[in-house]
Amino acid sequence: RKEVEQDPGPFNVPEGATVAFNCTYSNSASQSFFWYRQDCRKEPKLLMSVYSSGNEDGRFTAQLNRASQYISLLIRDSKLSDSATYLCVALQAGTALIFGKGTTLSVSS
Amino acid sequence: EAGVTQFPSHSVIEKGQTVTLRCDPISGHDNLYWYRRVMGKEIKFLLHFVKESKQDESGMPNNRFLAERTGGTYSTLKVQPAELEDSGVYFCASSQQGVAEAFFGQGTRLTVV
Repeated sequence: RKEVEQDPGPFNVPEGATVAFNCTYSNSASQSFFWYRQDCRKEPKLLMSVYSSGNEDGRFTAQLNRASQYISLLIRDSKLSDSATYLCVALQAGTALIFGKGTTLSVSS
Repeated sequence: EAGVTQFPSHSVIEKGQTVTLRCDPISGHDNLYWYRRVMGKEIKFLLHFVKESKQDESGMPNNRFLAERTGGTYSTLKVQPAELEDSGVYFCASSQQGVAEAFFGQGTRLTVV
């Protein structure tokens, strides 16, 4: 079983739609979680950290459920510019970031 | 402030040749990571330096790969001899000690033909 698993995608949605991505992690020792965004042929960039209490950044909301080892990202009012691959990432203390395979989002007009 | 820079951006080499990739992390970042993304697969961890020391090299695929970080500044990743399955995008990332956020370079796209 992979350490970080994500929805297979791709997600094709119209502008203005709300879309949710899910992610599960297998290593209960993972302590920190992130969503990274990767545009086509570009490097991954941090989108937001994920906290147990849930956190929101504009149209983006991230949630963490440690009991279920589940992470989510909700994007409201999708924009064309949101089209990208979204990577779920876990970090154990003292180790490197572990990436999921990514979920591709395509927002169309 | 300069970000993580990688060189070259692209490399096309023949099977059996040697290639050396370079990464310059953000100044002051003790942590330096190498990752690789093979077509259609997830970004996979290769190794992690803390300053000049290898903290974790469990992701290195085999002994054809050699990473160094002399002086704790820039790092090189050498592939010798290259095989077809080594093709992919090699990313370098750096972070400050005690900070989880990592900053990535734009990657080196390696094609072995």
